[in-house]
Amino acid sequence: AQSVTQPDIHITVSEGASLELRCNYSYGATPYLFWYVQSPGQGLQLLLKYFSGDTLVQGIKGFEAEFKRSQSSFNLRKPSVHWSDAAEYFCAVGADSGTYKYIFGTGTRLKVLA
Amino acid sequence: GAVVSQHPSWVICKSGTSVKIECRSLDFQATTMFWYRQFPKQSLMLMATSNEGSKATYEQGVEKDKFLINHASLTLSTLTVTSAHPEDSSFYICSASASESGNIQYFGAGTRLSVL
Repeated sequence: AQSVTQPDIHITVSEGASLELRCNYSYGATPYLFWYVQSPGQGLQLLLKYFSGDTLVQGIKGFEAEFKRSQSSFNLRKPSVHWSDAAEYFCAVGADSGTYKYIFGTGTRLKVLA
Repeated sequence: GAVVSQHPSWVICKSGTSVKIECRSLDFQATTMFWYRQFPKQSLMLMATSNEGSKATYEQGVEKDKFLINHASLTLSTLTVTSAHPEDSSFYICSASASESGNIQYFGAGTRLSVL
């Protein structure tokens, strides 16, 4: 069955430290992969996406993610975290190109210490 | 580009009344719109998928008669929560995608519904 796993429910990092949020997926074909960020009480903002090609993708706000087919992973990284990055992060896989439906992970809540 | 507007952002209603939430794509034509429900500190739960001019496709366990979805144009979809009850209180989020932009969903800011 198709699924997305975000193993870390909560992550706390100090401002200026590096960040890596994990995402693993289970999908039969080459997936479309996404990372979204949600601030409290807000909708989701697209950080970056992977469809094909270069497996290292750059996104907004200094984020990047790397698609590793052998590990079925699409981890999100940022070299230096800012206090404004505190939010909920969701990984998603586009499960069906015909319907454009997503399967979301359960999310990782990021806390940033000053 | 790719802005999705959702209105209202917050609504309080009495039990038994109906509430309509609007989702508009402001700068693109949305061939498909999605409605999600999100419980506190949880992920998004897809409720239904709607295509312009077609009946919505509801996910298993979602009551069609409770959550009425209309996608009358390429820029507007509405979700009506009929005969709302306190257990319908939640955060509802819409998203929109266009066939020419591939498999990308753009999200509205969400609507917090509180049923008294």
